[in-house]
Amino acid sequence: GQNIDQPTEMTATEGAIVQINCTYQTSGFNGLFWYQQHAGEAPTFLSYNVLDGLEEKGRFSSFLSRSKGYSYLLLKELQMKDSASYLCAVKGHRGSYIPTFGRGTSLIVHP
Amino acid sequence: ETGVTQTPRHLVMGMTNKKSLKCEQHLGHNAMYWYKQSAKKPLELMFVYSLEERVENNSVPSRFSPECPNSSHLFLHLHTLQPEDSALYLCASSQEPESKAAFFGQGTRLTVV
Repeated sequence: GQNIDQPTEMTATEGAIVQINCTYQTSGFNGLFWYQQHAGEAPTFLSYNVLDGLEEKGRFSSFLSRSKGYSYLLLKELQMKDSASYLCAVKGHRGSYIPTFGRGTSLIVHP
Repeated sequence: ETGVTQTPRHLVMGMTNKKSLKCEQHLGHNAMYWYKQSAKKPLELMFVYSLEERVENNSVPSRFSPECPNSSHLFLHLHTLQPEDSALYLCASSQEPESKAAFFGQGTRLTVV
């Protein structure tokens, strides 16, 4: 089976940095995704990690440690529009491209 | 605009009704997915179609019936649903096996009364 765990809710201040963690236990590993979902909207792709290390893309960075079954999404210079749910998803089975999603972390950014 | 379009955006139906959700992708992808998103729960995979063949059916009740007439279109036919089926139904597509992301539609907010 596959288990993906992330915090339910986080709050942060505009302009600050926030780190959203994701831990996973899967039978095999084929890549990890982060998606952003605003209320009432579709999830939108943020990042993809398949090798260990940090991937940086503007204000957002994603880190992966396969040996620890751990990833985090780092959001810098937070803006109010970053208030959203952040979904961690893992392709777990070797040869399978179908991702399994965590419950999502609801991030609230306040002034 | 993600290139994946779902209709309708909102749907209210009675438990004895029959309705269908439609998904269309304009990205040339070869895989399409139906997910169910309920409050406080993870996205639940319902069905996957690859090259128009169903490759995954995640123990979904038979009152949900998918149809994939071609690689660009995906339907979810609904019949005699229950109130607990009220949720956001999301369609997604990807190009496999090389894809690094799936692209989602805006979803259909379904309410069963």
